[in-house]
Amino acid sequence: GAVVSQHPSWVICKSGTSVKIECRSLDFQATTMFWYRQFPKQSLMLMATSNEGSKATYEQGVEKDKFLINHASLTLSTLTVTSAHPEDSSFYICSARDLIRSDEQYFGPGTRLTVT
Amino acid sequence: QKEVEQDPGPLSVPEGAIVSLNCTYSNSAFQYFMWYRQYSRKGPELLMYTYSSGNKEDGRFTAQVDKSSKYISLFIRDSQPSDSATYLCAMSANSGYALNFGKGTSLLVTP
Repeated sequence: GAVVSQHPSWVICKSGTSVKIECRSLDFQATTMFWYRQFPKQSLMLMATSNEGSKATYEQGVEKDKFLINHASLTLSTLTVTSAHPEDSSFYICSARDLIRSDEQYFGPGTRLTVT
Repeated sequence: QKEVEQDPGPLSVPEGAIVSLNCTYSNSAFQYFMWYRQYSRKGPELLMYTYSSGNKEDGRFTAQVDKSSKYISLFIRDSQPSDSATYLCAMSANSGYALNFGKGTSLLVTP
């Protein structure tokens, strides 16, 4: 099956610093990647939709200047949490939509961010 | 009202039991329905994918969609301890679009 990887899987950073999370589709091309956030015992909430070669579309309430998304190639999207604060501590999960089988979405293993 | 409602549980059943997991939704535009399994601190894993109404079976798993009632179900037969996880329902109006998730139901299958 299709594989999506995320790096890092776990990161701790100090308040005020920035963290970059990578999402890669390993064996397929993805024109669209989605970024979700999941707080403990909560559902996955969509943060933004990332399209290759264009600006990301952010959901209401998600600050685009704080959560920078870059989708420079068909296999890589990055999410940068800028000036992180403890309330940004969460589980960040990406999913990628297969270019060929566009009805299929595959999720990455997630990145756990802890801001101290 | 959230678009997708799902009882968070926890649900505890003995090994071998039939498990029934359910979600309700409010957006009648939803046509694509999925069930994901998520283990602690891991990404969701797709279990079942259904378009529109009807049933779909895959091994021990059966997904049902009743669009008239805006109600979907996942049945797990002969449940195993390895089925212990959180089960998330998800849906969208268009294929390949961002998904609307339920909160997830925590399932524990005891030996």
